[in-house]
Amino acid sequence: ETGVTQSPTHLIKTRGQQVTLRCSSQSGHNTVSWYQQALGQGPQFIFQYYREEENGRGNFPPRFSGLQFPNYSSELNVNALELDDSALYLCASSLGWDSLASFGPGTRLTVT
Amino acid sequence: AQKVTQAQTEISVVEKEDVTLDCVYETRDTTYYLFWYKQPPSGELVFLIRRNSFDEQNEISGRYSWNFQKSTSSFNFTITASQVVDSAVYFCALSEEGNTGNQFYFGTGTSLTVIP
Repeated sequence: ETGVTQSPTHLIKTRGQQVTLRCSSQSGHNTVSWYQQALGQGPQFIFQYYREEENGRGNFPPRFSGLQFPNYSSELNVNALELDDSALYLCASSLGWDSLASFGPGTRLTVT
Repeated sequence: AQKVTQAQTEISVVEKEDVTLDCVYETRDTTYYLFWYKQPPSGELVFLIRRNSFDEQNEISGRYSWNFQKSTSSFNFTITASQVVDSAVYFCALSEEGNTGNQFYFGTGTSLTVIP
């Protein structure tokens, strides 16, 4: 059974640029959630996708957008990057919104 | 207001001591789920437990135990006979079906250091 994988591991971008982060779900999981974890803080929920539809969104601006593909992998896109977007971005997959979620190792984004 | 409050920012204990990590949550939903996750220095969140709002039975798993009390909106986590490998940041989390879709809330975490 393959776990949740995320790419890239680390990324450095400049303020104003756009970034795409990728996540492959654990085998058999149809739900993907994205979180932002700033240094020393708890994860903040960005949004969740279930069978390619967004079915929950946290308090993040529209420049944070996502996609889920037919194979249930997912992308997180962030436009017009700001310095405060520097964080660890975590992806979690599950079978349904209320089921146990498996987390990936995260992507460390640095915005300069 | 915080949906999940972990008032203890940092805790240090000596190996073999018992330690309890506190978690208080806030929700108006009748159906919700509570979680505990462990985040070691490597950064990857490790699932420890999930409870639904209808199951107030306390649970024990080896050295870990959880006390869920709806009356006080608390979901506390106890490690018995702590070990150095228990050193990590522990997060309590809440998931609920909000009006605009599913919502997930994590506490700010409790950093546990077990001293040998």
